[in-house]
Amino acid sequence: NAGVTQTPKFRVLKTGQSMTLLCAQDMNHEYMYWYRQDPGMGLRLIHYSVGEGTTAKGEVPDGYNVSRLKKQNFLLGLESAAPSQTSVYFCASNEQGVARYGYTFGSGTRLTVV
Amino acid sequence: GENVEQHPSTLSVQEGDSAVIKCTYSDSASNYFPWYKQELGKRPQLIIDIRSNVGEKKDQRIAVTLNKTAKHFSLHITETQPEDSAVYFCAAYFTGGGNKLTFGTGTQLKVEL
Repeated sequence: NAGVTQTPKFRVLKTGQSMTLLCAQDMNHEYMYWYRQDPGMGLRLIHYSVGEGTTAKGEVPDGYNVSRLKKQNFLLGLESAAPSQTSVYFCASNEQGVARYGYTFGSGTRLTVV
Repeated sequence: GENVEQHPSTLSVQEGDSAVIKCTYSDSASNYFPWYKQELGKRPQLIIDIRSNVGEKKDQRIAVTLNKTAKHFSLHITETQPEDSAVYFCAAYFTGGGNKLTFGTGTQLKVEL
């Protein structure tokens, strides 16, 4: 049982390049989330999913796209990376209700856009 | 909109002293308030949480209090130790849909010897 696994752990991109961050969970959780963490700004929600095949926008969705084709995977895409997207990205999952269980976080992806 | 404010942004205490971090939230319908601890370079880890039907919860040296009328909740750490040094985040579950948490901006706690 690996929990929530994020790939890659580190990446450096050039402005304008694209990439996909992968989040995989083996706990059969329905809900999955992508947050970004920046100094002094806490964790801000980018996109989330309430089940396979669903996605929804969070607080800071611009410049990102997501897909949840399989229940265990939640992909975050950057089509044209910008320096403002330099951040640490955390994926999280939840079984069926935050009010009961809270989040399980992945270990994070540190992305630098130059 | 959904908002959680957290204070202070940095907190320095002497080993053995107590530390208090406070958060306020905007939605009176919020009913779940977790606290996360994040050590340098690591993922946030849930350390304690409280639901709206409870005013206080304790777990060894940490406790959380909730004042629903004033819409604020606080984390209390007693007898602080160097290993308590970390960033602490409060969060609130807003009932408007999406089953998601909104986080505060974090408090960097430093416990000095």
